[in-house]
Amino acid sequence: NAGVTQTPKFQVLKTGQSMTLQCAQDMNHNSMYWYRQDPGMGLRLIYYSASEGTTDKGEVPNGYNVSRLNKREFSLRLESAAPSQTSVYFCASRKTFEKTSGQETQYFGPGTRLLVL
Amino acid sequence: GDSVTQMEGPVTLSEEAFLTINCTYTATGYPSLFWYVQYPGEGLQLLLKATKADDKGSNKGFEATYRKETTSFHLEKGSVQVSDSAVYFCALKSGGSYIPTFGRGTSLIVHP
Repeated sequence: NAGVTQTPKFQVLKTGQSMTLQCAQDMNHNSMYWYRQDPGMGLRLIYYSASEGTTDKGEVPNGYNVSRLNKREFSLRLESAAPSQTSVYFCASRKTFEKTSGQETQYFGPGTRLLVL
Repeated sequence: GDSVTQMEGPVTLSEEAFLTINCTYTATGYPSLFWYVQYPGEGLQLLLKATKADDKGSNKGFEATYRKETTSFHLEKGSVQVSDSAVYFCALKSGGSYIPTFGRGTSLIVHP
């Protein structure tokens, strides 16, 4: 059971280049999330998907797009990378997307470390 | 809205010292509370959780008690090891929100 997987692990981009970060989970979870982690800022939610076919903006969506390709996969795209997008990106999943699902654990991938020059 | 406040780090301790990392929260209703740990170069993983008042979560020698009266969920360990060096995140999920709320994380550095 692989859990949540992310590719690539590391990436260096030049300003203006585009790329897609891939995420997949094999736990049959309905909800998936993309976060970025920066020093002193903790985790900030970029986008989330409550279920297959739906996506919504989080706290810091500008400069990003997402696709929930199917129940397993949730990708994050940077159309024109900027140095401010240098960060570590984490994908996460959770079984449901209900207000009453308080006890459910969120599962995280190992992260993608992105450097934009 | 929901919020989680953690003590700022880094917390630097010698091996076998006692650890406390403070966490307080504001939330709608009666949230579930979590501690996640992030080891260097890895993603977050669940360390322990508590789902109702006075519950104690425990794992790997770490403990935290859900204190409704003080809205706190402080993380403790009696004797830390070098291998406990990591970033610790307090989090909650309340009935008033669809999405978990995380604190900013507290870095723990344990010296031999």
